[in-house]
Amino acid sequence: ETGVTQTPRHLVMGMTNKKSLKCEQHLGHNAMYWYKQSAKKPLELMFVYSLEERVENNSVPSRFSPECPNSSHLFLHLHTLQPEDSALYLCASSQDGTDGHSPLHFGNGTRLTVT
Amino acid sequence: GNSVTQMEGPVTLSEEAFLTINCTYTATGYPSLFWYVQYPGEGLQLLLKATKADDKGSNKGFEATYRKETTSFHLEKGSVQVSDSAVYFCALSDNSGYSTLTFGKGTMLLVSP
Repeated sequence: ETGVTQTPRHLVMGMTNKKSLKCEQHLGHNAMYWYKQSAKKPLELMFVYSLEERVENNSVPSRFSPECPNSSHLFLHLHTLQPEDSALYLCASSQDGTDGHSPLHFGNGTRLTVT
Repeated sequence: GNSVTQMEGPVTLSEEAFLTINCTYTATGYPSLFWYVQYPGEGLQLLLKATKADDKGSNKGFEATYRKETTSFHLEKGSVQVSDSAVYFCALSDNSGYSTLTFGKGTMLLVSP
């Protein structure tokens, strides 16, 4: 299997549920990202992990909790979400050095609906 | 802070028409510029990129030139196909060491036969 794989593709959860999104990259990259894609809004960067350390957290509410156990896997743990959190959650990876020119490779996303 | 502005969509064209999607940016320093494409039900894919002024990125018949004087990176294609129907995102990277891209809102392109 190649590229960036996200599971599940679709998730419906109630506001009191706890669930996790999973991302796996098979590209040998050293950085991984979570983005949120909502209708009619730019993609929002949520978290960045570089060499398995979180290097950016863009003021994301604590009901979203990322985990990066190794350079190939990234999770997003969800609990007590709100309906406005319904969106497409995209995982991406890149091979980064010091110049930021490396393109991102995206997974197909998890479509999350909070009821 | 950095920002990217794209033309509002949808852009509706007939097959073989000429395509332009405008993109302008605001950034400090010398960012890298990208166009990504998102087909229905999929994630974003890199379409092309340019890393310095006057560079032209090209791929699959699409082109964009990094214009520092006008802070623009407009996407063009001479003859679109139905299969080009997708959402196109302009983005910039401030070259901070890891690829934290700033994206535009995206422009939907619809090509009819």
